[in-house]
Amino acid sequence: KAGVTQTPRYLIKTRGQQVTLSCSPISGHRSVSWYQQTPGQGLQFLFEYFSETQRNKGNFPGRFSGRQFSNSRSEMNVSTLELGDSALYLCASSLWGTEDNSPLHFGNGTRLTVT
Amino acid sequence: GNSVTQMEGPVTLSEEAFLTINCTYTATGYPSLFWYVQYPGEGLQLLLKATKADDKGSNKGFEATYRKETTSFHLEKGSVQVSDSAVYFCALNKGSGYALNFGKGTSLLVTP
Repeated sequence: KAGVTQTPRYLIKTRGQQVTLSCSPISGHRSVSWYQQTPGQGLQFLFEYFSETQRNKGNFPGRFSGRQFSNSRSEMNVSTLELGDSALYLCASSLWGTEDNSPLHFGNGTRLTVT
Repeated sequence: GNSVTQMEGPVTLSEEAFLTINCTYTATGYPSLFWYVQYPGEGLQLLLKATKADDKGSNKGFEATYRKETTSFHLEKGSVQVSDSAVYFCALNKGSGYALNFGKGTSLLVTP
């Protein structure tokens, strides 16, 4: 079974641009969540989707948005990029989005660099 | 709000040494607690979890006990191996769904 797939692996963007990152969950998984990883702040929760609905949201500005499609694939978008958005963005999926017998599986991330 | 604090690294140990990585948390109610591990070049993986007070999670020789009275979830292993070299993250989850609060991570290097 394929793992969580994130594309692209690397991105370089200029300040002020917008970017879309993609995540394909493990087949059959219905929950997808996103995290930002930086050296200074560590891993921070962005949002979680379950069956196309945003179920949880972290403390990020409105420039960060996401969505989930009917096939459970998810995208996150960052508009008006700032230098501080440079980070590794991790996607994770789980079968039911609950802790019971539904562990979280992480992808290898998309490395975004904003110049 | 919810938060997790774990000891700063890097931690360097000799093979077969005893490992403890401290983790404490702040949360209302009863969160679930997790340890995740990130091996070099790999994605984050769940190492173990505990969902209620006094539960002990264990996996691959690692153990952690959910201590409500001290709000702690320290990770231990009796005899580390070189292959345990990785970054270890403590995390909590509260409420429905998955919205993990992670600690900053502790880098462990085990030398032969």
